[in-house]
Amino acid sequence: NAGVMQNPRHLVRRRGQEARLRCSPMKGHSHVYWYRQLPEEGLKFMVYLQKENIIDESGMPKERFSAEFPKEGPSILRIQQVVRGDSAAYFCASSPPGQGGEQYFGPGTRLTVT
Amino acid sequence: GNSVTQMEGPVTLSEEAFLTINCTYTATGYPSLFWYVQYPGEGLQLLLKATKADDKGSNKGFEATYRKETTSFHLEKGSVQVSDSAVYFCALRGRSIGNQFYFGTGTSLTVIP
Repeated sequence: NAGVMQNPRHLVRRRGQEARLRCSPMKGHSHVYWYRQLPEEGLKFMVYLQKENIIDESGMPKERFSAEFPKEGPSILRIQQVVRGDSAAYFCASSPPGQGGEQYFGPGTRLTVT
Repeated sequence: GNSVTQMEGPVTLSEEAFLTINCTYTATGYPSLFWYVQYPGEGLQLLLKATKADDKGSNKGFEATYRKETTSFHLEKGSVQVSDSAVYFCALRGRSIGNQFYFGTGTSLTVIP
């Protein structure tokens, strides 16, 4: 059973471009979480999604950031008009259905904005 | 609300030294507590966990006990190795819908031979 997969592992974007980060949860997992890790900081929760639904987006910046988890395919975190402050590692975690599901983390996507 | 306060680093120890990384938390209700480890360039790996008061999580020689009275979950290891060099994150997960994690800022550990 493959783990949580994220791609790309490294992404370089110029200011003003769009960044699209993909996360494929573990097989059988229907819950996806996105976290951001800024340099020298811990992980900060961004958004929690189930298939076709955003459950909790309290950690998402109000502008330029969006997330989806379609019925088919990976979850996508989209950052429009990136700025240097968006440079960070973005981690995805998934868990199976139910309240007690353990979260399993992917290897992360390291976004660099030049 | 929920939050985690973790001992600041970096921590440098000699091989076979005793390790303690302090972690205290604030939470509503009865959260689950975790220690994650992050090796350079990699994602987070679960090191150990405890789901209720007085539980002790252990793995690879690391231990942590869920102390409700002191709201703490300190990480300990009796004899560290060079391969333990990594960043360690304390985290809690509430029992509300969503089960999001709240992480500490991480403690960088370097073990020198």
